[in-house]
Amino acid sequence: KQEVTQIPAALSVPEGENLVLNCSFTDSAIYNLQWFRQDPGKGLTSLLLIQSSQREQTSGRLNASLDKSSGRSTLYIAASQPGDSATYLCAVQGGSEKLVFGKGTKLTVNP
Amino acid sequence: EPEVTQTPSHQVTQMGQEVILRCVPISNHLYFYWYRQILGQKVEFLVSFYNNEISEKSEIFDDQFSVERPDGSNFTLKIRSTKLEDSAMYFCASTRGVNTEAFFGQGTRLTVV
Repeated sequence: KQEVTQIPAALSVPEGENLVLNCSFTDSAIYNLQWFRQDPGKGLTSLLLIQSSQREQTSGRLNASLDKSSGRSTLYIAASQPGDSATYLCAVQGGSEKLVFGKGTKLTVNP
Repeated sequence: EPEVTQTPSHQVTQMGQEVILRCVPISNHLYFYWYRQILGQKVEFLVSFYNNEISEKSEIFDDQFSVERPDGSNFTLKIRSTKLEDSAMYFCASTRGVNTEAFFGQGTRLTVV
């Protein structure tokens, strides 16, 4: 059974800092991995999708990497801003249609 | 930009009542999903729907739950007899293909009292 773990559970940084969020998964047989952002009481906003054949994806200040064999992904956020404060969720899609989610990392960027 | 829309945003219902949560997926998407998130817990998969039938469901999706695509645009989740433990945020999602990017709606917060 696929399990997804995100470390740390919470992170507080000063504005402008570069930071890395971690995601690990137990079964490396995945089709893709997706990072989402969730604001309090709101829906999930897709940030990046990495297919299993890819090593990384970039969107603006965000860069996600995937090491499928070791079951790890990282989300790098450059030059963090207070507007980046949210919970970041990692989800993997394996041998079925469903996404399996981690519990998320709650990020606070302090002005 | 196309988006998944859900209604209502918040629903309060009495235990034992039936509720229907509604979703309008992105128009050219073919796969539709329901997930739920109990407060403070992970987002959990409930069911996937393709070609007018359920393609996969989780253990949570028991006989009290059903899904339907009554017309070309709406996708609904029905809970027949709600329980207190059904209180959660319910998210609808859609994808263009089976291994493509998933887009989620803003969610319906269901409170069972």
